[in-house]
Amino acid sequence: NAGVMQNPRHLVRRRGQEARLRCSPMKGHSHVYWYRQLPEEGLKFMVYLQKENIIDESGMPKERFSAEFPKEGPSILRIQQVVRGDSAAYFCASSPASGSNYGYTFGSGTRLTVV
Amino acid sequence: LAKTTQPISMDSYEGQEVNITCSHNNIATNDYITWYQQFPSQGPRFIIQGYKTKVTNEVASLFIPADRKSSTLSLPRVSLSDTAVYYCLVGDMDSSYKLIFGSGTRLLVRP
Repeated sequence: NAGVMQNPRHLVRRRGQEARLRCSPMKGHSHVYWYRQLPEEGLKFMVYLQKENIIDESGMPKERFSAEFPKEGPSILRIQQVVRGDSAAYFCASSPASGSNYGYTFGSGTRLTVV
Repeated sequence: LAKTTQPISMDSYEGQEVNITCSHNNIATNDYITWYQQFPSQGPRFIIQGYKTKVTNEVASLFIPADRKSSTLSLPRVSLSDTAVYYCLVGDMDSSYKLIFGSGTRLLVRP
């Protein structure tokens, strides 16, 4: 009964490279949420996805960032042409249905460092 | 989603009871109050959720006064492993899927 699995745990990219962050939700969960956390700050919502659909991407930067949750496989958060300001911890959460009362389970995050 | 205010940091000693109060003056009728705990290098972990009066589970208690403009997370007999950041969130749990995290309260438990 694995929880939310994120990989890699740590990712180092040079400026201009692409970063791909993966998130496998808990078994039976079809709703995935991505959050970003800068040092010493709280988590900030980025995007909410269901299988094959983006429900709300209002927290995503307009450029270079994209997310998907295909019918098969993990959810992917993709950051193109990374810059130093993208360095942060990226957390994925999943739930069995929409709405916070169903409970969110967070993964351990991916720490992206852009050098 | 209602804005929340909580202390930036708190210190305690092992074995003591810790109470962290969160202010949410603009809480709406349908809003629930939820607390998360986050250890360094880990994602937040759900602790407890409530709507009014008192909720207790194996980890903590949540006290909510009648006006619901504040809430208090109570951790009985803390240990060193309770050192973490604690976040208070308020929102309509049926329709809100965006969790709004503030800066949280950094609890340091000393030996």
